[in-house]
Amino acid sequence: EPEVTQTPSHQVTQMGQEVILRCVPISNHLYFYWYRQILGQKVEFLVSFYNNEISEKSEIFDDQFSVERPDGSNFTLKIRSTKLEDSAMYFCASSESGFAYGYTFGSGTRLTVV
Amino acid sequence: QKEVEQDPGPLSVPEGAIVSLNCTYSNSAFQYFMWYRQYSRKGPELLMYTYSSGNKEDGRFTAQVDKSSKYISLFIRDSQPSDSATYLCAMKSSSNTGKLIFGQGTTLQVKP
Repeated sequence: EPEVTQTPSHQVTQMGQEVILRCVPISNHLYFYWYRQILGQKVEFLVSFYNNEISEKSEIFDDQFSVERPDGSNFTLKIRSTKLEDSAMYFCASSESGFAYGYTFGSGTRLTVV
Repeated sequence: QKEVEQDPGPLSVPEGAIVSLNCTYSNSAFQYFMWYRQYSRKGPELLMYTYSSGNKEDGRFTAQVDKSSKYISLFIRDSQPSDSATYLCAMKSSSNTGKLIFGQGTTLQVKP
């Protein structure tokens, strides 16, 4: 069964450093998303991406964050100048035919900022 | 009032039991409702997807939506130890948004 692949599975970074989280969505999917889950809290929406541009972003997704689809297969989330409160599981997801359908999530990247 | 509320549990049942998982919500604009299952250290896995009110059945799983009460349910029949996971409800208001609003998740343990 097709799956969304995320790398790395765990990333430890020092506060103030930049990190790039990588995702390979399902190949025929056109809509891409990033969500995050702080330990013990709800899964939260960060951003959706379609046709090489951001479709929607949450209030969490400030200037510290950016997304990119650098080629035909990868989808990345960059966090500039990481803060302790950025520590969370970051999930990439994709969907085939639009926002109306259920999404396929990856297994996540656990980001730990120290 | 929180936008989506879900009892975090944990919920422990014997194998073969019928499990009922529930979420309430406050935003009457929500029209699309989903249930995800999340195993430890994994991403959410879509189980059921419903639009508007009514029931939907898929094997041992039945999803119910009652928009008048702002209440959704997931029933699991003949529960198995492999059903032990965290179950997340999620919802959104429009087909034009990618923003899902998740519940806290209910942790289910099915004991053999």
